[in-house]
Amino acid sequence: EAGVTQFPSHSVIEKGQTVTLRCDPISGHDNLYWYRRVMGKEIKFLLHFVKESKQDESGMPNNRFLAERTGGTYSTLKVQPAELEDSGVYFCASSQGGTGANYGYTFGSGTRLTVV
Amino acid sequence: AQSVTQLDSQVPVFEEAPVELRCNYSSSVSVYLFWYVQYPNQGLQLLLKYLSGSTLVKGINGFEAEFNKSQTSFHLRKPSVHISDTAEYFCAVSERGQFNKFYFGSGTKLNVKP
Repeated sequence: EAGVTQFPSHSVIEKGQTVTLRCDPISGHDNLYWYRRVMGKEIKFLLHFVKESKQDESGMPNNRFLAERTGGTYSTLKVQPAELEDSGVYFCASSQGGTGANYGYTFGSGTRLTVV
Repeated sequence: AQSVTQLDSQVPVFEEAPVELRCNYSSSVSVYLFWYVQYPNQGLQLLLKYLSGSTLVKGINGFEAEFNKSQTSFHLRKPSVHISDTAEYFCAVSERGQFNKFYFGSGTKLNVKP
């Protein structure tokens, strides 16, 4: 089966611009997660979708970040306007319904975002 | 609050030597424990997990980890490393009752030298 796909793999934007990251989960996976790793630090949870609904968005840093998952398939994460501190690697992961973190997610390769 | 500490940011080791990557966590509730590995230009891959039962768990590629509840640790070990084990390793924890969220450590870069 195809894995979790993220694109772009790299993005370099100027401060103040808008960037949209996309994640395609494994087909049939109801759970979709976004995580972020900033400056080589720990990977931090951003939010969790179950199908098209936001189950937990407690990790979203501020209202410049908007995540959507229309139709319960792929998801986008928009940063508008981007700030320097938003630079980092954004990971997407998915899992089958009901299993969650207990059994491990499948992660994508990440999008490396650089804001200059 | 949940926290995961990986004290060693980098671990250099010679090929065929043993290695231990340390992980400690803090939590007020029971936890599930995981180790993930990230090879260059790839996503995170599950190495092994502890959910319950035997505290010694074996994973892929010859790695194993031992859950020590009293020391709140979950150290990763391999008796003999290969060049191909060069990667970054992440310890992660999820709490019972909140199992759809991982708390990760800051990662340990394992550099295996010939």
